[in-house]
Amino acid sequence: AQSVAQPEDQVNVAEGNPLTVKCTYSVSGNPYLFWYVQYPNRGLQFLLKYITGDNLVKGSYGFEAEFNKSQTSFHLKKPSALVSDSALYFCAVRVLYGNNRLAFGKGNQVVVIP
Amino acid sequence: SQTIHQWPATLVQPVGSPLSLECTVEGTSNPNLYWYRQAAGRGLQLLFYSVGIGQISSEVPQNLSASRPQDRQFILSSKKLLLSDSGFYLCAWTLEGVAQYFGPGTRLLVL
Repeated sequence: AQSVAQPEDQVNVAEGNPLTVKCTYSVSGNPYLFWYVQYPNRGLQFLLKYITGDNLVKGSYGFEAEFNKSQTSFHLKKPSALVSDSALYFCAVRVLYGNNRLAFGKGNQVVVIP
Repeated sequence: SQTIHQWPATLVQPVGSPLSLECTVEGTSNPNLYWYRQAAGRGLQLLFYSVGIGQISSEVPQNLSASRPQDRQFILSSKKLLLSDSGFYLCAWTLEGVAQYFGPGTRLLVL
């Protein structure tokens, strides 16, 4: 079954430092991978996706993610974190043959410390 | 551009009362539609999805039901709410090959 894992519950980073949120995947075939961000009491916002092509994917709000097939990873990165980046981040993978259903990770709380 | 709406934003209901949450999408045709529940503590649970009018697939057996009476309308219902139905309900849409896009959510508190 297609799945993703987000191994950390919370990531703390100082404002201005690089931010990395980890995600590993398990799929049969080529993965469709996604990152979402959720602010308190709001819906999930789409950040970026990887379907094919360049392994480095650029998305909204200065975020990017690197697809690494050998390590089955799709880590989310931002070179310089802002306090406003404090939120819940979800990695997801498309469930093949499943009508575009997505399997989500458990989520990572990111706290950017001023 | 596409827009997804959910209402109400917040709802407080007594145990045993009925429920109807509505989701509508604008600016697209024949989308796939999804209902998720997010309990406290973050995890997302897929409840129902629909690939067309009148077509509903249930992911988890429970006292909730879903209907799609129109192409861009998706309704989540219950005849009798349970305490465990409390949570944050999210609707989402997608087209083939595109990410899912989420609505603003409905916060349901069952007392």
